[in-house]
Amino acid sequence: EIVLTQSPGTLSLSPGERATLSCRASQSFSSSYLAWYQHKRGQAPRLLIYGASSRATGIPDRFSGSGSGTDFTLTISRLEPEDFAVYYCQQYGSPPKTFGQGTKVEIK
Amino acid sequence: EVQLVESGGGLVKPGGSLRLSCAVSGLTFTNAWFSWVRLAPGKGLEWVGRIKGKSDGGTTDYAAPVKGRFTFSRDESESTVYLQMNSLKTEDTAVYYCNTDNGYYGLDVWGQGTTVTVSS
Repeated sequence: EIVLTQSPGTLSLSPGERATLSCRASQSFSSSYLAWYQHKRGQAPRLLIYGASSRATGIPDRFSGSGSGTDFTLTISRLEPEDFAVYYCQQYGSPPKTFGQGTKVEIK
Repeated sequence: EVQLVESGGGLVKPGGSLRLSCAVSGLTFTNAWFSWVRLAPGKGLEWVGRIKGKSDGGTTDYAAPVKGRFTFSRDESESTVYLQMNSLKTEDTAVYYCNTDNGYYGLDVWGQGTTVTVSS
C-alpha cells in the first residue's frame, strides 16, 4: 500500500498570499495517477487536479499541480476567501487508492 | 449533468447492518466505475473501495479495514450502486460519499454524502 504524507498539517495564510502544499509518497508510482481534492465542511469534496498537473473542469488557474515520482506539490498562487479549506492528495492508480491525511489552509 | 445522490444512512448498533444507495443520473451507467470514500469525525478522507462497470465484469476492490464486511453491488435497471455494510463497528462511523471513478481523470463527480453512525 502506498502511504501519502502531506505537509504541513496546517497552513496559516492571508488572502492574496501563495500557498504551497506538499504530498510525499512512500514509494514511487506513475504521476499520471496523482490527484488533489478540496473539501469544505458540510460539502462534497471537489476534484481540483488529476494526473498530477491537469486542472479539472471549472477549476481556476490559480490552482496548479506539479511533481513526479514520490514528491508532489499543489500551489495556490493567490488565495481567495473561498480557498480556505482542507486539501487532500490521492494516488489512484491501483487499489487501495490511498489519500494523504490532509492539509488545512486557514485564515491567518 | 452527472448527479449522484446517496441515501440509507442512519444510526445502527455495533454488529448491525446497513445498506447505502447511490442513485446515478446523467451518464451511461453500464460502463461507469464508482468508488466509495468516507470521512470519519476528526479524520481525513479514506478510500473504501470501488466497483467496475458491467462491461469490465463489475469486479470489486475493498480497503483492508472493510474487506469481508462491506459489499458493493450495482443495479443496471435502476442506475444505482449499493454498499452493503455488515458487522458494523464504531470506527465505521462516517459520512459516506459515492463518486464516479473516471480512470485517469480521477474521482471527478461526488455525491453529497450520507451519514452513518454506529453506536450503542
